[in-house]
Amino acid sequence: QKEVEQNSGPLSVPEGAIASLNCTYSDRGSQSFFWYRQYSGKSPELIMSIYSNGDKEDGRFTAQLNKASQYVSLLIRDSQPSDSATYLCAVRGGGGSNYKLTFGKGTLLTVNP
Amino acid sequence: ETGVTQTPRHLVMGMTNKKSLKCEQHLGHNAMYWYKQSAKKPLELMFVYSLEERVENNSVPSRFSPECPNSSHLFLHLHTLQPEDSALYLCASSQLLTDTQYFGPGTRLTVL
Repeated sequence: QKEVEQNSGPLSVPEGAIASLNCTYSDRGSQSFFWYRQYSGKSPELIMSIYSNGDKEDGRFTAQLNKASQYVSLLIRDSQPSDSATYLCAVRGGGGSNYKLTFGKGTLLTVNP
Repeated sequence: ETGVTQTPRHLVMGMTNKKSLKCEQHLGHNAMYWYKQSAKKPLELMFVYSLEERVENNSVPSRFSPECPNSSHLFLHLHTLQPEDSALYLCASSQLLTDTQYFGPGTRLTVL
C-alpha cells in the first residue's frame, strides 16, 4: 500500500519568513510529485509539480525532490498571510498504477501578520 | 463557464434518500475522477473514468454509483447512505490519465 506522510501541523511562521513543508513517500517507484494548496472550505489547487531530483522554482515557491531519500519538500519564501492554507503532497506512479494520485493528509500552514 | 463545476455545492440527505452529484468540466479533458475528503483523512480516490469508460473502482460501497455519459459530465448517484459518508466529494479532470488533475469546488454532503 502506497503511503504519503506529512506533518499535520499546524506550522506557524511569521509574515516574511520561509515556510518549509515536508513530505515522505513509501513507493520507491513513484514518478511524479505534486503540491496542492487547499484553503478552508475550498478545493485543492495545484501549485507545483516536480518530476526529477533537485529544485524547481516558481515565484516564491520552490519544490525539492530527493528520490533516494523518498522525500519531497515545498519552500515558500516571503510568506504572506494569504499563504495560510493546508498544503497537500501528492505522489503518482510506481507499483500498480501510473496514473493514481496518492495524497498525504496535508499540513496546515498559518502565516501570522 | 470555465474549469470544473460541481452541483449542488451543499447537500443534506437522509439515509433513505436518493440523490445525485453532478460534475461538468469545460477543459476538453478526457479523464474524470471522484474523490472523497473526510476530516483528518487523506483524499481518497473513488472512481476514475477515461474516455467515458470506468478504469478504477477503488473498493467503493455499492451505495455509490458513478455514471459518465460523455467526457464532459460525471455523476455520482447516492442511495441509502450512512452518516459516515458525510464528507466533501470532489470531482477532478485531466487531459489524459497521466496529466495534471484539476479539481472542482466540491459538494459538501451531510447524511443525517
